[in-house]
Amino acid sequence: GENVEQHPSTLSVQEGDSAVIKCTYSDSASNYFPWYKQELGKGPQLIIDIRSNVGEKKDQRIAVTLNKTAKHFSLHITETQPEDSAVYFCAASPYSGGGADGLTFGKGTHLIIQP
Amino acid sequence: DAGITQSPRHKVTETGTPVTLRCHQTENHRYMYWYRQDPGHGLRLIHYSYGVKDTDKGEVSDGYSVSRSKTEDFLLTLESATSSQTSVYFCAISAGRVTDTQYFGPGTRLTVL
Repeated sequence: GENVEQHPSTLSVQEGDSAVIKCTYSDSASNYFPWYKQELGKGPQLIIDIRSNVGEKKDQRIAVTLNKTAKHFSLHITETQPEDSAVYFCAASPYSGGGADGLTFGKGTHLIIQP
Repeated sequence: DAGITQSPRHKVTETGTPVTLRCHQTENHRYMYWYRQDPGHGLRLIHYSYGVKDTDKGEVSDGYSVSRSKTEDFLLTLESATSSQTSVYFCAISAGRVTDTQYFGPGTRLTVL
């Protein structure tokens, strides 16, 4: 099945600086890559996603890049603000082939924005 | 949270007792999922449903069963709870298959003593 590795597990940046979180996946058949933000005590919320026919997608201060050849994708947050502090998860759609459906998640990155 | 509620939000139970968690949605989405979240493991799929009475197993289904008798409700049952099932459980929904956006509920924190 699919395996998603996410790095780093913790990232601390100064307010106003950029943050980058990287994920790699194992199944070349994966074609959907969402990113979720989870605040303390809440469920994950989708912040951006990308599909395999697109190399980059941007939404205001957030961007995601995808390199299918290398099987990795990254989340970029520019001009970080205190409200960006949270745990971020990447995920990939697995090749089901009759097996389990759903998303395979990375283990998460705790992003800390230092004032 | 995209019209998703989970109940209860917190539960403490003892080893060996049965437990049922409920997920209710008001979006009329076809697909519903149960995940568990544990430190160091991220989110892992337990079971999912692709329609009324249609369910299938996920990555960590042992010790869990599910039922879906109505589009809006998806139940997760621990037949005999164990301490290893102490976790935070999230329900998710999506309109289509896995490449459609999944929306998550607020979660249920379950502690098995």
